[in-house]
Amino acid sequence: TQLLEQSPQFLSIQEGENLTVYCNSSSVFSSLQWYRQEPGEGPVLLVTVVTGGEVKKLKRLTFQFGDARKDSSLHITAAQPGDTGLYLCAGVIPGTASKLTFGTGTRLQVTL
Amino acid sequence: EPEVTQTPSHQVTQMGQEVILRCVPISNHLYFYWYRQILGQKVEFLVSFYNNEISEKSEIFDDQFSVERPDGSNFTLKIRSTKLEDSAMYFCASSETGFSGANVLTFGAGSRLTVL
Repeated sequence: TQLLEQSPQFLSIQEGENLTVYCNSSSVFSSLQWYRQEPGEGPVLLVTVVTGGEVKKLKRLTFQFGDARKDSSLHITAAQPGDTGLYLCAGVIPGTASKLTFGTGTRLQVTL
Repeated sequence: EPEVTQTPSHQVTQMGQEVILRCVPISNHLYFYWYRQILGQKVEFLVSFYNNEISEKSEIFDDQFSVERPDGSNFTLKIRSTKLEDSAMYFCASSETGFSGANVLTFGAGSRLTVL
């Protein structure tokens, strides 16, 4: 069973601070996706990283896929209250059509 | 923005009853999925469906579960005889392609199932 561990589980920071969320596994994934989930809603895709070492930026969010395609990070610069939510990483298992293995999640709270 | 719609948003049922959760995937998508999230736990894969048959399923998806695409638009998940541990949020998702790599899944808002 391929597991994705996210850290930290909970993060409470003030507006303007920077933060990094980590997603780690001992297994290789074909690609890795980051989602954000609001209460009572389904996960919403933020980004997909496919190539080892790939870096993608989405405004103040920077996503990186590890060289060995086993881990990923999400860095948020100058966090805002609107960034509050549950962040999930999910990996596509090699050899499967689209079977996603989800991480344990990081709940972020940004306060004024 | 195209979206995946799910009904009902919340269903309460008695243990042992049959439940059908419904989903309308995005119209040009060919691959369909069900995931579930037990309260406080991570999202778990249940089943994927393509070309009117199951592509992959997890160990959770036992004989009590079945999926069907009864017409050109709906995709359903049936739980034959619900158990207390089936209580969860069930998410439907769809995608244009099913290839590993940069496949993009669009998730619905979920159906919360409560088994009493």
